[in-house]
Amino acid sequence: NFMLTQPHSVSESPGKTVTISCTRSSGSIVSNYVQWYQQRPGSAPTTVIYEDNQRPSGVPDRFSGSIDSSSNSASLTISRLKTEDEADYYCQSYDGSNHWVFGGGTKLTVL
Amino acid sequence: QVQLVESGGGLVKPGGSLRLSCAASGFGFSDYYMSWIRQAPGKGLEWVAYISYGATIIYYADSVKGRFTISRDNAKSSLYLQMNSLRAGDTAVYYCARGSSWYIDYWGQGTLVTVSS
Repeated sequence: NFMLTQPHSVSESPGKTVTISCTRSSGSIVSNYVQWYQQRPGSAPTTVIYEDNQRPSGVPDRFSGSIDSSSNSASLTISRLKTEDEADYYCQSYDGSNHWVFGGGTKLTVL
Repeated sequence: QVQLVESGGGLVKPGGSLRLSCAASGFGFSDYYMSWIRQAPGKGLEWVAYISYGATIIYYADSVKGRFTISRDNAKSSLYLQMNSLRAGDTAVYYCARGSSWYIDYWGQGTLVTVSS
C-alpha cells in the first residue's frame, strides 16, 4: 500500500494563485487516477477534480489538476482565489488491491 | 437533482451494532457504484467500502473488514452499511457517496455515529 502526503496548510491572498501538492509514497502517481475534494467548514465534501484533471460540471475553471511523474505527485491549482475557496482539500487515489487512499488534507486559508 | 440522504446514525455502546441507510434520488441508482466514507471528529477522510452496480464487486478498508457489510437495494434506490462489533475508533460522520470504483462525484450530508459507553 502507499500513502498520499499533503502539506498541512497553505495560505494566499485573494486574486492570487495557489497550488496544493499530493505526493505518493510508493508506486507511480501515473498508475492510478487522482481525485481532489473540497470540504468547507461544517459542510460535506464536494468533488472539484476527478481522473487527474477533469472538472465536474459546475466547478469553475479556476480549479485545475495535474500530475508530475518526476516528483511522483499530483497538484491542485486554484487561480484567482476567492474567500469562498477557503476550505480543506483532500487528494484521493487507489491501489492495485482496489483500496482507496486519502491524503491527510490541506487547510487553505485565503487572507 | 442528485440527492443522497443518510440516516440511522446515533449513539451505540462498544460492541454494539448499527445499520446506516442512504436514500438516493435524482439519478439512475443502479447505474453507479456507491461508497461509504467516514470522518472522525476533527480528522481527515477515510474510505470505508464500495459496492458495484449489481453488488457483484465489493471492497472494504482493512479497518472494517469482517465487521461492516455494505449492501444495496436497486429497487429501492438505497445503500446500506451494517456495522457490527463497533469500537470507539469507529466514531465518525459517515458519508454516502456516488461514483465509480475509483472516484466520487456526489456526496451526501453525512450521519454521525458515536460509539461510547
